[in-house]
Amino acid sequence: EPEVTQTPSHQVTQMGQEVILRCVPISNHLYFYWYRQILGQKVEFLVSFYNNEISEKSEIFDDQFSVERPDGSNFTLKIRSTKLEDSAMYFCASRMSSGRGGQFFGPGTRLTVL
Amino acid sequence: AQSVAQPEDQVNVAEGNPLTVKCTYSVSGNPYLFWYVQYPNRGLQFLLKYITGDNLVKGSYGFEAEFNKSQTSFHLKKPSALVSDSALYFCAVRDLTSGAGSYQLTFGKGTKLSVIP
Repeated sequence: EPEVTQTPSHQVTQMGQEVILRCVPISNHLYFYWYRQILGQKVEFLVSFYNNEISEKSEIFDDQFSVERPDGSNFTLKIRSTKLEDSAMYFCASRMSSGRGGQFFGPGTRLTVL
Repeated sequence: AQSVAQPEDQVNVAEGNPLTVKCTYSVSGNPYLFWYVQYPNRGLQFLLKYITGDNLVKGSYGFEAEFNKSQTSFHLKKPSALVSDSALYFCAVRDLTSGAGSYQLTFGKGTKLSVIP
């Protein structure tokens, strides 16, 4: 069964450093998402991406964040200058073109900012 | 604004007994509702969804959920719990104010289900 994959599973970085979180969505999916979950809190929407551009973003997704689909398979989330409060589990998700389909999530990347 | 509430942080149930994980929602229009399950060190796995039609939705692993519009609820149920059902369960609603093609989900905080042998 096809799965969304994410790398790395755990990333530790120093405050102020740039990090790139990587995702490989399911191959025939067209819509891509990033969510995050701060420890003990809700899963929160960050951004959605379709047709090589951001279609929607939340207030969390400020200028420090960016997304890219550099090739036909990868979907990345970059945080330019990490803050302590960026420490969270980051989930990538993808969806087929059908509007009624569910989103399929990856296993997540745990980001720890020291 | 839309929101989802899962009133129980943890639900404990004996193996073989029926289980219910509660979810209530608030949206401006008609809701699209989802349940996801998260096993340790795994991503969120899609269980089932409600869009329209029959209020009782059947999903993966024997789970089902009942949509109740008057109570704005979408409780997850299973007639006979298994130890392997122990996991974190998330209810989610689709944000109907999003533009076409986005379909961002708003999640509840999750409910930890423990099935006791």
